[in-house]
Amino acid sequence: RKEVEQDPGPFNVPEGATVAFNCTYSNSASQSFFWYRQDCRKEPKLLMSVYSSGNEDGRFTAQLNRASQYISLLIRDSKLSDSATYLCVVDGTYKYIFGTGTRLKVLA
Amino acid sequence: EAGVTQFPSHSVIEKGQTVTLRCDPISGHDNLYWYRRVMGKEIKFLLHFVKESKQDESGMPNNRFLAERTGGTYSTLKVQPAELEDSGVYFCASSQLGGLSGNTIYFGEGSWLTVV
Repeated sequence: RKEVEQDPGPFNVPEGATVAFNCTYSNSASQSFFWYRQDCRKEPKLLMSVYSSGNEDGRFTAQLNRASQYISLLIRDSKLSDSATYLCVVDGTYKYIFGTGTRLKVLA
Repeated sequence: EAGVTQFPSHSVIEKGQTVTLRCDPISGHDNLYWYRRVMGKEIKFLLHFVKESKQDESGMPNNRFLAERTGGTYSTLKVQPAELEDSGVYFCASSQLGGLSGNTIYFGEGSWLTVV
């Protein structure tokens, strides 16, 4: 079993739609969680950290469920510019453990 | 302020040759990381430097890979001899703090390696 698992997609959604991604992790001792965004042939960039109580940044909402060991990312009112791969990242003691990423394509 | 810079951005070499990748972290960042993504797989940790010391090199695939960070500034990752399965993108990242909680790691644009 992979340490961090994500549905690779692709998720094809129309502009303005709401889309949600889930991610599960295997190490119950993990303490830090993140969503990164990666554009085609570019480096990963931090989208947002994920806090236990859930957190929101504009159109993006992240949730953490420790009991079930999953993390979610909700994107509301999707824009064309949201098209990218979204990487779920979990700490593994001073190093990041990455999921394979979920591809999102927002269609006009 | 300059971000994490990597060189070369792209490299095509023949199996058996040697390639050296260089990473310049953000100025003042003591922590430097190397990650790698091979085709169709997730990004995987290779190693972590704190200044010039290797904090964790558990992700290094084998002894064909050698990473150095002399003087605690830039780092090099040498692959010798290169094999076909080494093809992928090598990301360098740096951070000011060593832990992950409340810390941000900044990635370079990657060095794309193709071994033919």
